Amino acid sequence: GDSVTQTEGLVTVTEGLPVMLNCTYQTAYSDVAFFWYVQYLNEAPKLLLRSSTDNKRTEHQGFHATLHKSSSSFHLQKSSVQLSDSALYYCARGSWQLIFGSGTQLTVMP
Amino acid sequence: NTKITQSPRYLILGRANKSLECEQHLGHNAMYWYKQSAEKPPELMFLYNLKQLIRNETVPSRFIPECPDSSKLLLHISAVDPEDSAVYFCASRNRGRDTGQLYFGEGSKLTVL
Repeated sequence: GDSVTQTEGLVTVTEGLPVMLNCTYQTAYSDVAFFWYVQYLNEAPKLLLRSSTDNKRTEHQGFHATLHKSSSSFHLQKSSVQLSDSALYYCARGSWQLIFGSGTQLTVMP
Repeated sequence: NTKITQSPRYLILGRANKSLECEQHLGHNAMYWYKQSAEKPPELMFLYNLKQLIRNETVPSRFIPECPDSSKLLLHISAVDPEDSAVYFCASRNRGRDTGQLYFGEGSKLTVL
């Protein structure tokens, strides 16, 4: 069945360094959108990025991701993290319902 | 996000009945209830698409959704169980070929004593 996998539960990075959060998926559908949502403590999830186009880079707030259908991946990257980036990040697959991965807690250390 | 309002925001219950309310002012045609337990991702409970209900079959029958019109969503809970302690998010989107972004309300935090 369809699934979204985030292998890292917790990622700790020093401020100013790059980070990559992994997301891979399995889906039987070819026309599906993929999302990254960010959730700060005691807040609702908010959309960070979305893509449905193969091999096209999408960017927002310094983060970027590229959907690679050949490897079933949609990794999230940032070249220089900030303290304010500390949050929970969810990769999600969307069609008529949104399926979330298990989430990755990003902690940025000074 | 004041475009999707939920009430109440916080709820503490024993084994009682209660309803959660949600209203969206975005003109969306699909509304959702998600449950987020501690340390877990949001899990879909119910989806209303143009007022047609699609349910997650794993949701206990004590949860009953209601969609009185396309902008409002209710979640009736009877005889709550401690495992129901969670944040319940209402969300909405526009369905169609271009699967749009899901907008979440601020959530209703339910604590079952």
